[in-house]
Amino acid sequence: EAQVTQNPRYLITVTGKKLTVTCSQNMNHEYMSWYRQDPGLGLRQIYYSMNVEVTDKGDVPEGYKVSRKEKRNFPLILESPSPNQTSLYFCASSSHPGRGYEYQETQYFGPGTRLLVL
Amino acid sequence: AQKITQTQPGMFVQEKEAVTLDCTYDTSDPSYGLFWYKQPSSGEMIFLIYQGSYDQQNATEGRYSLNFQKARKSANLVISASQLGDSAMYFCAMREGPNNDMRFGAGTRLTVKP
Repeated sequence: EAQVTQNPRYLITVTGKKLTVTCSQNMNHEYMSWYRQDPGLGLRQIYYSMNVEVTDKGDVPEGYKVSRKEKRNFPLILESPSPNQTSLYFCASSSHPGRGYEYQETQYFGPGTRLLVL
Repeated sequence: AQKITQTQPGMFVQEKEAVTLDCTYDTSDPSYGLFWYKQPSSGEMIFLIYQGSYDQQNATEGRYSLNFQKARKSANLVISASQLGDSAMYFCAMREGPNNDMRFGAGTRLTVKP
């Protein structure tokens, strides 16, 4: 079954304790992305990756790190979490849609990770 | 600047009636894609419908249709014959640019009343 998996699904941690949220896709997608969802703000992109070893900042990258050593995995790292990073996090992937009007390829989302930082 | 605007934080509709969820967008790129997603209370993001900037006809997928007005930069979602299971958050999104960035609106919470 084609899917994006995230772990853990729920996480409660304390300020300053490093954590990693894993993301894996089995669709051989080039493009992967992390979003956070907050009430009234929709989903905001944290980081994205166009392919292996290629990552770039989204709209809200502060306090986060990512890596893309393999095509299927795109972990999100919070080196020193703070309470303002309490949020719902989504990983997503898609094939590279190219240029022009070929944006039809939707992104496939993971189930989400609910993070609470105390 | 906000790229995607959903002006209706909450909407109510009677079961079996149609409802329109508004979405306006801002871009200077001639090539872009517009998407609608549904997020039920369980939290997952479900893709509903897509409209390309060069598509001449409005997209339809079952009970979902997209009212695309390019000159007005609007991409409203129309749900016909609403069902109780349609109660959810709905997000409008746009994908554009060489980095394929996807931007989301703040969402509209739809409640279907029996």
